[in-house]
Amino acid sequence: GAVVSQHPSRVICKSGTSVKIECRSLDFQATTMFWYRQFPKQSLMLMATSNEGSKATYEQGVEKDKFLINHASLTLSTLTVTSAHPEDSSFYICSARTGWGNQPQHFGDGTRLSIL
Amino acid sequence: SQQGEEDPQALSIQEGENATMNCSYKTSINNLQWYRQNSGRGLVHLILIRSNEREKHSGRLRVTLDTSKKSSSLLITASRAADTASYFCATVVSGGYNKLIFGAGTRLAVHP
Repeated sequence: GAVVSQHPSRVICKSGTSVKIECRSLDFQATTMFWYRQFPKQSLMLMATSNEGSKATYEQGVEKDKFLINHASLTLSTLTVTSAHPEDSSFYICSARTGWGNQPQHFGDGTRLSIL
Repeated sequence: SQQGEEDPQALSIQEGENATMNCSYKTSINNLQWYRQNSGRGLVHLILIRSNEREKHSGRLRVTLDTSKKSSSLLITASRAADTASYFCATVVSGGYNKLIFGAGTRLAVHP
């Protein structure tokens, strides 16, 4: 149980393109979803937290107009990287959780984004 | 920002040996969690230890928590080549959405 599906797994596109990444909880309802960014051989950096039906809460330094997050239902959150540039190339990972902080998070398999 | 540090940053051992990874954190926590990440994949939850617990076991995993020292350790006994991965500790910071803050991680390589 507690499967999170993230799609696509890899994206290669030209600079200036907007890219949408989907994160779905397949067998549970996710009260909260999280979006992380990970550079090679580094840890996960939290970008934003979203609850279904409300605006995402962004971490300091993360541009909300650059990284648009929509959490339209209890099983789907999307991250759109708008007008992507090479410096946005990274590994993006979503996670989902039921309840509050004492529950583990369940992670998708990540999306490797490469902007040419 | 990251909550704390993990050491070692990298660990290389032979199959059958035990692997110990340490994690330190900075602020008060509700609980501490350990996750595993295979190369290029998402994270898998391994174990959660609450702030009022001192030790927890799950199969070949043993986790300790010392809140006075703000530190935790993960011990993998009788390691296998399949244990090769990066291991991260993460703390739940009180307030807001109780978000997870990850440590820097330990890259474990287990050689057959």
